[in-house]
Amino acid sequence: DSGVTQTPKHLITATGQRVTLRCSPRSGDLSVYWYQQSLDQGLQFLIHYYNGEERAKGNILERFSAQQFPDLHSELNLSSLELGDSALYFCASSPRVGGGPIEQFFGPGTRLTVL
Amino acid sequence: AQSVTQLDSHVSVSEGTPVLLRCNYSSSYSPSLFWYVQHPNKGLQLLLKYTSAATLVKGINGFEAEFKKSETSFHLTKPSAHMSDAAEYFCVVSDANTGNQFYFGTGTSLTVIP
Repeated sequence: DSGVTQTPKHLITATGQRVTLRCSPRSGDLSVYWYQQSLDQGLQFLIHYYNGEERAKGNILERFSAQQFPDLHSELNLSSLELGDSALYFCASSPRVGGGPIEQFFGPGTRLTVL
Repeated sequence: AQSVTQLDSHVSVSEGTPVLLRCNYSSSYSPSLFWYVQHPNKGLQLLLKYTSAATLVKGINGFEAEFKKSETSFHLTKPSAHMSDAAEYFCVVSDANTGNQFYFGTGTSLTVIP
């Protein structure tokens, strides 16, 4: 158990809908990263937040948005869902940025199925 | 720019034989390098990380990786494969100075034959 929690574990929804995925980082970790894992795209970095501020954006669609709240939990919002958004969404946390190699601790993921 | 290339999408070994999973990286900055393992329907777990203190890095479950700057490689090895090693392995690079973004390889699926 990494200490990172993600809810829900599974989510089934229809095209055009909007969903929110939630991530709670390990106690004391300030950084939260979001990833999308699909069979055709592999593991893709989406976005990184550090202590409430956005630090880096990866291959995140405009239909997707995220935020990190004062209590450091993060939410990933996916809207106007398409079939191709079906994937496993991972959240990872780390204690800091910079200052050498930073280990990420991954949550168990949320499996999103868009029908 | 940073990127990672995992040279083999699938590797198959017999139980008890050595494992070699290959990874080459490209980085404009001083890189941080990692290997993660993902078992079926599970999250990712860190196997080891390169910290620049030593080029040979020891990780969990008997895995090791050697950082070779001249070859821009960070190959993962294990002397003797166990059935429980069957999983997906990811090589990862990030900028050691910022850690803002992590770049994952496409993964290597390891099969261990009894």
